[in-house]
Amino acid sequence: EVQLVESGGGLVQPGRSMKLSCAASGFTFNNYDMAWVCQAPKKGLEWVATISYDGSSTYYRDSVKGRFTISRDNAKSTLYLQMDSLRSEDTATYYCARLSFWYFDFWGPGTMVTVSS
Amino acid sequence: DIQMTQSPASLSASLGETVTIECRASEDIYNGLAWYQQKPGKSPQLLIYNANSLHTGVPSRFSGSGSGTQYSLKINSLQSEDVASYFCQQYYNYPNTFGAGTKLELK
Repeated sequence: EVQLVESGGGLVQPGRSMKLSCAASGFTFNNYDMAWVCQAPKKGLEWVATISYDGSSTYYRDSVKGRFTISRDNAKSTLYLQMDSLRSEDTATYYCARLSFWYFDFWGPGTMVTVSS
Repeated sequence: DIQMTQSPASLSASLGETVTIECRASEDIYNGLAWYQQKPGKSPQLLIYNANSLHTGVPSRFSGSGSGTQYSLKINSLQSEDVASYFCQQYYNYPNTFGAGTKLELK
């Protein structure tokens, strides 16, 4: 059974950093591209970043370029999102998702990030 | 970026009814479209990909259709467990983009 479990969310002040993790199991992690998708409270879904199966390629939405870094450790079957210079508009639930071609076929339960002073 | 316009924003239907949700893309997305279901307090779940292919384990009362810029999700014989929000996503072009969602409630 495919499982994705995010961790690392919480309350953080504007301008500070936070690192999210996503532990994967039930599939061969290093065969799949992975992504982070966020959802602000009571809002829709927004793709944040994607990383290729081997970590050689990364892609970001414009609003997080230069502030967020997606990475992975295939030996640990874990995906990461390093978030720096956080802003109030980054407040959202962050989902780890597995990519099948370019759609998201499995999602984790999400971790909430609140950016507030 | 490709804009995805989803309608209606909310929908109320009775058990056993057939409901349809529409998604319009701002340009041709050549069937690069997925539909997701998100139940309250839960993460999204894939229903349909490539506009009309049913994801593993999804009940056959769900179906997708469309082409070009116009796509739809149909739910036949509505069940109580179908109460959820539904989102479309285009992945034909970078960056992939989502519709604003349709909230489906029981009448």
